[in-house]
Amino acid sequence: DIQMTQSPSTLSASVGDRVTITCRASQSVSSWLAWYQQKPGKAPKLLIYKASSLESGVPSRFSGSGSGTEFTLTISSLQPDDFATYYCQQYDTYSQAFGQGTKVEIK
Amino acid sequence: EVQLVESGGGLVKPGGSLRLSCAASGFTFNYAWMNWVRQAPGKGLEWVGRIRSNTDGGTTDYAAPVKGRFTISRDDSKNTLYVQMNSLKTEDTAVYYCTTDSRSAAAGLSPPLYGMNVWGQGTTVTVSS
Repeated sequence: DIQMTQSPSTLSASVGDRVTITCRASQSVSSWLAWYQQKPGKAPKLLIYKASSLESGVPSRFSGSGSGTEFTLTISSLQPDDFATYYCQQYDTYSQAFGQGTKVEIK
Repeated sequence: EVQLVESGGGLVKPGGSLRLSCAASGFTFNYAWMNWVRQAPGKGLEWVGRIRSNTDGGTTDYAAPVKGRFTISRDDSKNTLYVQMNSLKTEDTAVYYCTTDSRSAAAGLSPPLYGMNVWGQGTTVTVSS
């Protein structure tokens, strides 16, 4: 099965900072990579699909890039509503794995 | 409104069984590939398994930790997804979400292309003696 590894596990940042989260796949997933945001006690929310396509209604400060085995999620200017946990997920194969998550905390 | 509503969670003893349901509305359920995802307390998201649409064979895939113990099924006449969980272990304790890509379903696309854009609110399963 494909394994997904995110880094860092925790990230401390301030409002206005540019934030980058990395996700690596143990083998190529082409561009079948999604990013989700989750806040405590809530279901995850889709942000990015097909590695770089912005989900409808998601602010343009979120962007995704990459293909194959290495992907990034970038928040261009962190806003108070963005403090949350972020997960990558590959949906290339029969087994759809999530990364372990990156918690974005207030610095 | 596109919606998924899970039910059936509760407290069960190790070795016991439980069936969760997920009622869907607002999208073309019969074309949707449906997933179960779980989250143990304080942990990350874990994909549990999925079922293809019946037009794509209605076949299932499972994560290794649940294979042979969990069975995902669907009833398109009721727009409902199920997961039958047998031989439950303490490590199965989690919030269970059903999810889907409703846009691929609406367009009749398979496999789904757009990520899981619809999630239920989750139902809690606790396995404890």
